[in-house]
Amino acid sequence: AQKVTQAQTEISVVEKEDVTLDCVYETRDTTYYLFWYKQPPSGELVFLIRRNSFDEQNEISGRYSWNFQKSTSSFNFTITASQVVDSAVYFCALSENVQGAQKLVFGQGTRLTINP
Amino acid sequence: DTAVSQTPKYLVTQMGNDKSIKCEQNLGHDTMYWYKQDSKKFLKIMFSYNNKELIINETVPNRFSPKSPDKAHLNLHINSLELGDSAVYFCASSQYFTGRPGNEQFFGPGTRLTVL
Repeated sequence: AQKVTQAQTEISVVEKEDVTLDCVYETRDTTYYLFWYKQPPSGELVFLIRRNSFDEQNEISGRYSWNFQKSTSSFNFTITASQVVDSAVYFCALSENVQGAQKLVFGQGTRLTINP
Repeated sequence: DTAVSQTPKYLVTQMGNDKSIKCEQNLGHDTMYWYKQDSKKFLKIMFSYNNKELIINETVPNRFSPKSPDKAHLNLHINSLELGDSAVYFCASSQYFTGRPGNEQFFGPGTRLTVL
């Protein structure tokens, strides 16, 4: 069965520090997709990134970067020079294709607090 | 323009009542979903419809009945509400392309249901 583990329940850092959120997944599929979503205090779920299992290149988007390592089944997320606005709950998710629909399996989420 | 909208945003009701949550997407997507987020922030898929056909039904009590009148709408009706149904319910949609199943899901703002 698909499973996503985010072992860090809560992280608290001071503004401008770098922080890495860990994500480890389990799947028997050879083709799969991984996602990160952000849930700020306002409650909506914001898509951040999608990565497919064939593409192991790291990705950088501004202060955000993602490290996908198939060998360790990990898809970690790093925020560089964190800001107070980065405070949110971050979810890692794994998708399973079911007859044209995607079943997203979410990790437990990591609550990130950036202190001024 | 709102991509995925849900009504109502807040719903407070008594145990035993029946209530509905409506969802509409204007993205032209074929697939829609309902997720439940519990008090510990854990997100779990409940249902998915692809072109008005039920594809995913994740062992949800039969008090929950999704209805998709057309591709752009997926409503959730809950009978005989129980205390444990209190949660945030998110609607989402995605587009499925043959050979490229890993498209991101776009989430609605959520409906916070409180059962007293």
